[in-house]
Amino acid sequence: AQSVTQPDIHITVSEGASLELRCNYSYGATPYLFWYVQSPGQGLQLLLKYFSGDTLVQGIKGFEAEFKRSQSSFNLRKPSVHWSDAAEYFCAVGPYQAGTALIFGKGTTLSVSS
Amino acid sequence: ETGVTQTPRHLVMGMTNKKSLKCEQHLGHNAMYWYKQSAKKPLELMFVYNFKEQTENNSVPSRFSPECPNSSHLFLHLHTLQPEDSALYLCASSQARSGGGWDEQFFGPGTRLTVL
Repeated sequence: AQSVTQPDIHITVSEGASLELRCNYSYGATPYLFWYVQSPGQGLQLLLKYFSGDTLVQGIKGFEAEFKRSQSSFNLRKPSVHWSDAAEYFCAVGPYQAGTALIFGKGTTLSVSS
Repeated sequence: ETGVTQTPRHLVMGMTNKKSLKCEQHLGHNAMYWYKQSAKKPLELMFVYNFKEQTENNSVPSRFSPECPNSSHLFLHLHTLQPEDSALYLCASSQARSGGGWDEQFFGPGTRLTVL
């Protein structure tokens, strides 16, 4: 079955420290992979996406993610976290055929301590 | 207006009321989606419209009724809802890629629905 697992429900990181959010997927074909961020009361904003090519993907707000096919992972990283990065982060996978929807993980809540 | 807009942003309704949620995308996309986001649950796909045709209905109760009159507008009609239907309802849109497949989904800010 197709699925996305985000093992960490809640992570707290000190401001200025590095961040890595984990995402593992189960998918039968070459996946399209996404990371979205959601601030309280808001919709989801796309941080970055992987369709093909270079497995290290750069996104907005200084985020990057690396696709590792052998590990079925697509972890999100940021070298230095800012207080404004506190939010909920969702990993998603999709075949991206004819309007089929994405499969989302349950999300990881990031708190940033000063 | 830019992106994907949703109205109203907040809605409180009784179980016997009828209301509608509206979504409009200003991106020229040709697929639109309704998702339900409840506390402590993953995002749940409700409906997909591809070129105005409904292509997916994820076993959603009939008290939720979607309508897509054109590729820019999507409605979710609500009637005789239950308190457990209280959630954030998100609309999204996406565009077919020239080389095949579809680009990422763009989300609206959501409608926070409370059913009393």
